[in-house]
Amino acid sequence: NAGVMQNPRHLVRRRGQEARLRCSPMKGHSHVYWYRQLPEEGLKFMVYLQKENIIDESGMPKERFSAEFPKEGPSILRIQQVVRGDSAAYFCASSPGGSTNEKLFFGSGTQLSVL
Amino acid sequence: QKEVEQNSGPLSVPEGAIASLNCTYSDRVSQSFFWYRQYSGKSPELIMSIYSNGDKEDGRFTAQLNKASQYVSLLIRDSQPSDSATYLCAVKGRGGSQGNLIFGKGTKLSVKP
Repeated sequence: NAGVMQNPRHLVRRRGQEARLRCSPMKGHSHVYWYRQLPEEGLKFMVYLQKENIIDESGMPKERFSAEFPKEGPSILRIQQVVRGDSAAYFCASSPGGSTNEKLFFGSGTQLSVL
Repeated sequence: QKEVEQNSGPLSVPEGAIASLNCTYSDRVSQSFFWYRQYSGKSPELIMSIYSNGDKEDGRFTAQLNKASQYVSLLIRDSQPSDSATYLCAVKGRGGSQGNLIFGKGTKLSVKP
């Protein structure tokens, strides 16, 4: 029973490097969401994607951050030129889609540490 | 600014007692309400969802929603040490896309044996 799969579990990057976070949704789910959790802060919505489409990116920082969910393969959250403030836990969630009262199922997260 | 407020705790209850967790939200037109449990270093796990006023029971958990007062609560009966975790309240407003939930910072619950 494969849930939402995220990798890597931990990612260490130096300032200025790129970070790539991967997420494979639960089987049968076609909707993917990325959230960020800063220390002592709540989960913050970043972006909502369906296959090959960005539906809502209202929570994405305007620069350095991008997300995709290609026809084949996992969803990717990409952070270019990372800074220390990007250090956080990044959670991916998925849902089947088709309902306005969607229940989200979260992956184990990627802990990004920027040195 | 749409907000979800929770008491950060920690809320400490003895084993077997009822734990009561509260959450208030600012957006009056919010439609969907969720409670997630998050163990330290782990992912949030959906416990309950509630969409209409009143109570919704699932095992030892009861969610209560009062839209007029803009609060939602979670009761945990017969609390167990394994219930010790941070409980996150999440709200979906009418204007947001599906999955665009606003989370509170969470209430840390500690159940003492």
